[in-house]
Amino acid sequence: EVQLVESGGGLVEPGGSLRLSCAASGFTFSSYDMNWVRQAPGKGLEWVSYITNGGGTIYYADSVKGRFTISRDNAKNSVYLQMSSLRAEDTAVYYCARRSAIAALFDLWGQGTLVTVSS
Amino acid sequence: EIVLTQSPATLSLSPGERATLSCRASQTISSFLAWYQQKPGQAPRLLIYDASNRASGIPARFSGSGSGTDFTLSISSLAPEDFAVYYCQQRSNWPLTFGGGTKVEIK
Repeated sequence: EVQLVESGGGLVEPGGSLRLSCAASGFTFSSYDMNWVRQAPGKGLEWVSYITNGGGTIYYADSVKGRFTISRDNAKNSVYLQMSSLRAEDTAVYYCARRSAIAALFDLWGQGTLVTVSS
Repeated sequence: EIVLTQSPATLSLSPGERATLSCRASQTISSFLAWYQQKPGQAPRLLIYDASNRASGIPARFSGSGSGTDFTLSISSLAPEDFAVYYCQQRSNWPLTFGGGTKVEIK
């Protein structure tokens, strides 16, 4: 089955760190660029970060630049999001999403993992 | 950053009616617009890409149109499973951005 499964979410205090993981299966992971997209409770979608299939190109949203780091391990079919200096406004469901082979679209999503930043 | 403005925020319709959702970009994005559907507790699903192309497995009652700055998602006859939130997304420029969403609710 083609799927993405996120893990690593939880409750963290402001200023803390957390590492999210996304495990891919059912497709050739190393051929696809990947993204993280988040959704604050009751709010819309916000693109967070992007990494090319080989890891050579990375982009971040301004809201997380300097605090979040995206990486991937193609041998483990996984993409990661290291989050540090977390703020209350980072509270959201974090989705990993596959970039379509056609263009910068999101054609496969995981179920999401909830990150709550609170004291 | 390209801002996408969706309207209306909420659309109250009955099953079988036609839905028309709008997405306006703050600058021209050619046809580089996609539409997603999100149901409560679920991840978004790609419906339409490049303004008018249906993604794999998407029913023909969904159609998209527009170019430049003004785009429309139409659902010709609402099925019970179509009541959801719909988001537009542009891929013309980084950062990739989404609209604020339109909720299609049962009247």
